[in-house]
Parts: sequence; structure tokens; C-alpha cells
Amino acid sequence: DARVTQTPRDKVTEMGQEVTMRCQPILGHNTVFWYRQTMMQGLELLAYFRNRAPLDDSGMPKDRFSAEMPDATLATLKIQPSEPRDSAVYFCASGLAPRIPAYNEQFFGPGTRLTVL
Amino acid sequence: GDSVTQMEGPVTLSEEAFLTINCTYTATGYPSLFWYVQYPGEGLQLLLKATKADDKGSNKGFEATYRKETTSFHLEKGSVQVSDSAVYFCALSEAGYSTLTFGKGTMLLVSP
Repeated sequence: DARVTQTPRDKVTEMGQEVTMRCQPILGHNTVFWYRQTMMQGLELLAYFRNRAPLDDSGMPKDRFSAEMPDATLATLKIQPSEPRDSAVYFCASGLAPRIPAYNEQFFGPGTRLTVL
Repeated sequence: GDSVTQMEGPVTLSEEAFLTINCTYTATGYPSLFWYVQYPGEGLQLLLKATKADDKGSNKGFEATYRKETTSFHLEKGSVQVSDSAVYFCALSEAGYSTLTFGKGTMLLVSP
């Protein structure tokens, strides 16, 4: 049963600390997405990659957030320094760039719940 | 730009009641439409989809019909169960793009 995995599941940290979240996409998927979910803003797309190359990170605060794909099996999202307003659930999702664009399904991981004190 | 509008929740129903969650969209092209469901503590998962006008997507007793004339994709279920309690997201994808545009989500609470 192929799944997207994310670590850690929960993270509590203090303001100013660096936070790293990791994602393992489903093997064979070539597109990876990072989302942030909060009660106020709902689900926001932060960045996404195709074949490990960043295609769009316009949803991400550039001064403190960075996203990378060191290899095809690992995507990372870093926040440095973290702030209380970064508290949210961060989801990774993966998919295949569809040959038939209509069949665009994204598979979500369980999320990382981040709390910045 | 593209957008998806869903009815605000929570929607509170008794078990076996009929469910409708409204969804309308704005798109520049001819999108595909999706419903995702998020159970407590989990990520989103695809519930159903429709790729062209008048298509009906269905899964687990849920249905939604792609209505191009009214730009709508309302989610329905004839008889809800307590286990259907979750947040439901309507989404669209334009041809040629990998990204999904999501609505804000509608929480459904079903009581026994």
C-alpha cells in the first residue's frame, strides 16, 4: 500500500528555532507539493516540484522558508527562524504529472503539526 | 484566476439524513473537478472526480455531477453515517497544470 510519509508527525518548538519537516513521496511520483493548513486561511499551496526541480514557490515566505528535494525519495521544508504565526499543519502530497491532464490526483501525507511557542 | 467556493460549515446532520454540500467554481478554461475528504488527524484523500460536463463522479455512496452551465459540482449522499463526519474539500484542476485549487472546506458532523 503506497503512501506518502511525513516526519515528524508533531513538532513543538520555541520561536527562533529552526524546524525541518521531511516527506517521502510515493515511489515513482514525479511531482511533490507542500501545503499549509490553518483554521483562518484553510489550505494554502506553499511550493511544488516536478522531477525534483522547483516549479513554483510563490506561496512561501522567502525570507524564512525553504524547500528542497535532495533526491527523488526525499523532500524537505525548513523554517528558520520559526515564529508563532507559523503554527499550522504542513502537508506534503505527491502525484504524477498527468499525461491526461484531467486525471490529476494528489496523494497526501498525514501532515506535520507544528506549534511554535 | 481560478477559484472554488463552498458552503460554510459545519453541516450538522442526524444519521441517515440526506446530505448536500454546495460547490461552485470559476475557471478560465475547462477544468476537471474533484471532491477530497479529510478525516480527523489525517491528510486529504480523493473521494470522487469528474472530468467533463455532465459527468457524474461517485464513490462510497457519494455523488457529484459536473454542471458546466451553472459552474457547480455539488456533493450529495442519500443517507449519511457517523463515519462520514469529516471535512470535505471541493477542488479544480485546469488542463495542463498539476496544481489543484481548493475551496475552504466544509465540516460535516453526523450524530447517531
